[in-house]
Amino acid sequence: GQQLNQSPQSMFIQEGEDVSMNCTSSSIFNTWLWYKQDPGEGPVLLIALYKAGELTSNGRLTAQFGITRKDSFLNISASIPSDVGIYFCAGRAGSYQLTFGKGTKLSVIP
Amino acid sequence: NAGVTQTPKFRVLKTGQSMTLLCAQDMNHEYMYWYRQDPGMGLRLIHYSVGEGTTAKGEVPDGYNVSRLKKQNFLLGLESAAPSQTSVYFCASESGALAKNIQYFGAGTRLSVL
Repeated sequence: GQQLNQSPQSMFIQEGEDVSMNCTSSSIFNTWLWYKQDPGEGPVLLIALYKAGELTSNGRLTAQFGITRKDSFLNISASIPSDVGIYFCAGRAGSYQLTFGKGTKLSVIP
Repeated sequence: NAGVTQTPKFRVLKTGQSMTLLCAQDMNHEYMYWYRQDPGMGLRLIHYSVGEGTTAKGEVPDGYNVSRLKKQNFLLGLESAAPSQTSVYFCASESGALAKNIQYFGAGTRLSVL
């Protein structure tokens, strides 16, 4: 099946620093999604991307749909303690199934 | 996690026992999904449904069965639980063909099989 490589696996950053994470795929996707999961909770959608080259922001978060349709990145600017959590990318090639990356665990040091 | 409710939140089973996990959504969504999440593995799709009365296998369906008798409910069954099924289970729902591919997740069910 399709696989997503998400990196880095974990990050420790100082409060106020910017963060960047990315996902790459061996297959083409027509949708990229970025989710955040807090401890003990389900994933919550942060940003959805629907066409190659699309750049979308949501507050301090910015994500881009790669022009090859095989990658996407997520940037967080000026990190704050509540940014702590696990960030997942997910891609969709067809109508139903999402393929998830293994997650990036973000820790923010005050 | 508004709109997708999973019960129970926690459960401990002995090997060989059976149980059913319930997912209910109040958003009139057509599509529903069951995932399992294991450390370092991300979310893997178990089964999904694209409408009432329909189900399909996902990436890791073995040992699980599902039913979608009502549009708002999607049940995940374990007939004979095994320790390998210890995991966190998430249900998700999605509007359908006209929506922009957004899955909304429940808060999860934490299952331990001893």
